[in-house]
Amino acid sequence: EAQVTQNPRYLITVTGKKLTVTCSQNMNHEYMSWYRQDPGLGLRQIYYSMNVEVTDKGDVPEGYKVSRKEKRNFPLILESPSPNQTSLYFCASIIWQGRADTEAFFGQGTRLTVV
Amino acid sequence: SQQGEEDPQALSIQEGENATMNCSYKTSINNLQWYRQNSGRGLVHLILIRSNEREKHSGRLRVTLDTSKKSSSLLITASRAADTASYFCATTSGGYNKLIFGAGTRLAVHP
Repeated sequence: EAQVTQNPRYLITVTGKKLTVTCSQNMNHEYMSWYRQDPGLGLRQIYYSMNVEVTDKGDVPEGYKVSRKEKRNFPLILESPSPNQTSLYFCASIIWQGRADTEAFFGQGTRLTVV
Repeated sequence: SQQGEEDPQALSIQEGENATMNCSYKTSINNLQWYRQNSGRGLVHLILIRSNEREKHSGRLRVTLDTSKKSSSLLITASRAADTASYFCATTSGGYNKLIFGAGTRLAVHP
């Protein structure tokens, strides 16, 4: 079964304490992406990766890091979380065929609260 | 930067009625997609329409695309309570390797 697995689903942490949200896909997609979802703002892209060792900034990359050491995994790292990073985070694994045919498969989300 | 913007922000209808949601975007696109999100869960892909297509159907879904007006609409016919969800449009455009989402339309279908 095609899956994108995010962990943890819920996380409460304190300001400044480094954390990592993991994301794994089993569809052998080259393109993966992280989004955050905030009320009234829809989904905003944080970082994306077109392939192993290739990552690029989305629209809201400040305060986040990513890595893509292997195709299936794309962790999101918050080195020093702040309260304005409290949000619902989604990892997506995307079929990307020359931008003409794209389809995103989403994980179940990680609800992060930074106090 | 937000590419797609949905209209209305919220829509409330009765079962059996049709629901129409609109999406406007700013730059030229390669394709436009619609996704559905049940409360707080991951988005699910519904349908894709390419920039050279004008209309597409999938079951009770009908999508239209007007590239001259930079807009798309999603029609759900004979709606059901189970259609209650948020609906998002998303676009890929130009030379940018990004999939950009709008803010979404919240649809409530009442039995």
